[in-house]
Amino acid sequence: QQQVKQSPQSLIVQKGGISIINCAYENTAFDYFPWYQQFPGKGPALLIAIRPDVSEKKEGRFTISFNKSAKQFSLHIMDSQPGDSATYFCAASMRGGGADGLTFGKGTHLIIQP
Amino acid sequence: GAGVSQSPSNKVTEKGKDVELRCDPISGHTALYWYRQSLGQGLEFLIYFQGNSAPDKSGLPSDRFSAERTGGSVSTLTIQRTQQEDSAVYLCASSPSKGLGQYFGPGTRLTVT
Repeated sequence: QQQVKQSPQSLIVQKGGISIINCAYENTAFDYFPWYQQFPGKGPALLIAIRPDVSEKKEGRFTISFNKSAKQFSLHIMDSQPGDSATYFCAASMRGGGADGLTFGKGTHLIIQP
Repeated sequence: GAGVSQSPSNKVTEKGKDVELRCDPISGHTALYWYRQSLGQGLEFLIYFQGNSAPDKSGLPSDRFSAERTGGSVSTLTIQRTQQEDSAVYLCASSPSKGLGQYFGPGTRLTVT
């Protein structure tokens, strides 16, 4: 059972555009939702995270939008740059995000064209 | 400051051999996690340590897998009698405490021939 579904699998965006990646979850016990960025040959790097008591969180060019009733959350990358080209993973966990592991989506391969 | 480090970065082993993978978490981080990343299965959670104890080992793929953590710091993941399906990147992450973000190391790429 895939508890976190991520789309699209791949995405091409022009430089300066907005990149949008979506995730949906099934387990209502999830209460912590991070996004990770991964470059080839590197480990995932924590970008931004949100808890379900807020509907949006912004850090620089990265914004998470969260819809608790729809059990969906998304990552928006504003003014996308070629350096943003990477694989992005959404994730979810229970009990505050640390007592157990993260359940990851399958990833989105993002390419920003110059 | 130093991030999570893992060794070796690459390991090639023959089927049936045992391997040991090492993780050095960020200094002061009490929580430590192991994950496996493969093309077919994506990122899978394996096991979590709070201090030296692992409350739940059910995420380990089989009884050939074991993990330990000593002194609240370094952790080792041991795979006995390796199989080809064990080929993957094994990632370690640490967290300052329960409820805070997990920070990943670069991983160990394991290839079983």
